[in-house]
Amino acid sequence: QVQLVQSGAEVKKPGASLKVSCKASGYTFAGYDITWVRQAPGHGLEWMGWISAHRGQTSYAQKFQGRVSMTTDISTSTAYMELSSLTSDDTAVYYCARDVSFDYWGQGTLVTVSS
Amino acid sequence: DIQMTQSPSSLSASVGDRVTITCRASQDIRHDLGWFQQKPGKAPKRLIYEASSLQSGVPSRFSGSGSGTEFTLTISSLQPEDFATYFCLQHNTYPPTFGQGTKVEIK
Repeated sequence: QVQLVQSGAEVKKPGASLKVSCKASGYTFAGYDITWVRQAPGHGLEWMGWISAHRGQTSYAQKFQGRVSMTTDISTSTAYMELSSLTSDDTAVYYCARDVSFDYWGQGTLVTVSS
Repeated sequence: DIQMTQSPSSLSASVGDRVTITCRASQDIRHDLGWFQQKPGKAPKRLIYEASSLQSGVPSRFSGSGSGTEFTLTISSLQPEDFATYFCLQHNTYPPTFGQGTKVEIK
């Protein structure tokens, strides 16, 4: 069955960088895009960007341009999302999801940014 | 960006009730809409895709309808495990955008 397993919770200091992984199984990784979204406490879901697992083509939300980077490693069926220059506003649960239609989701990674 | 207006933001219902949740898109998104269920501390789960197709494994009491700008999720007979937050997602136009969610609570 399709599974997306994300890396564990993290605590970061303001100004630091974050790298979350999303390991896929149960399907041909290169055949689908991976999307990243986040959900801040008490808020709705916010789309961060998208990467084509096969071609590596990316599209990022304007809000995160210049501070986010999404990559994939086809050899390990893993997608990565890096976010730099963290502030307390980046405290959220980060999710990866398969395909533009979000048919399968990772379990989420709680990131807390605090001094 | 396409705005997704979801209503109501919350509702109280009893087991066995019929529940309807609506999403309105700010422009035509054809059938490019999904409905999701999220329970506290858990990842969202897709229930409906392409506006009206039932995701495999999802109980048939869930149904979706609509096209263009008006969409509806219906739970025909609410079950105890259905108390959760529901939201819609449009993926017709980048960026994908979400409804604000409907929290379904026990009356």
